[in-house]
Amino acid sequence: GAGVSQSPSNKVTEKGKDVELRCDPISGHTALYWYRQSLGQGLEFLIYFQGNSAPDKSGLPSDRFSAERTGGSVSTLTIQRTQQEDSAVYLCASNLLGQPNEKLFFGSGTQLSVL
Amino acid sequence: AQSVTQLDSQVPVFEEAPVELRCNYSSSVSVYLFWYVQYPNQGLQLLLKYLSGSTLVKGINGFEAEFNKSQTSFHLRKPSVHISDTAEYFCAVSSMNSGYSTLTFGKGTMLLVSP
Repeated sequence: GAGVSQSPSNKVTEKGKDVELRCDPISGHTALYWYRQSLGQGLEFLIYFQGNSAPDKSGLPSDRFSAERTGGSVSTLTIQRTQQEDSAVYLCASNLLGQPNEKLFFGSGTQLSVL
Repeated sequence: AQSVTQLDSQVPVFEEAPVELRCNYSSSVSVYLFWYVQYPNQGLQLLLKYLSGSTLVKGINGFEAEFNKSQTSFHLRKPSVHISDTAEYFCAVSSMNSGYSTLTFGKGTMLLVSP
């Protein structure tokens, strides 16, 4: 696609429910990132995928969070047993090679609200 | 480890006035420096980046930033702002030594331009 696509744009869920957030990166981009943006907290790195390599999961805040990337393209971020502190905007980004001097292309995010 | 400090959470300014958004970073290794902008209800997009060479970097929409190694700063400036510049601005650093883009973001500065 022309840009990074995320769905849904908004998700309201009840505490304790599981949610799945989807990211469709720009075609041909081998690197994919998930970030979390909380009010007044900037962007927090969650996880990084590069091609077929093992992902860097060092930013995942707890074992309730997991992500996968199927076929080197679409990625799904899953949050199990959601808590109110999980409420945030979840941003996905991609770039061509994942090099440190490359810019990231961001999606518009998924606003998650846990009631 | 690396960190980014954006000293102002909010900067109000009148249209056509100059503006400076401050960014300081801390890192034990050499870094690449970035400014991203997030317009209301949109994803982040790159404004400009410093990789090497001239310390004054020009970006889109008339913005520029100056890398100051001795002060570990990368302040963003614009000589005359427009209403349309109202957005949140994020400073970010990426370690040159990393095998991939390990962007660390500041907490953001909200630029509010009024008539």
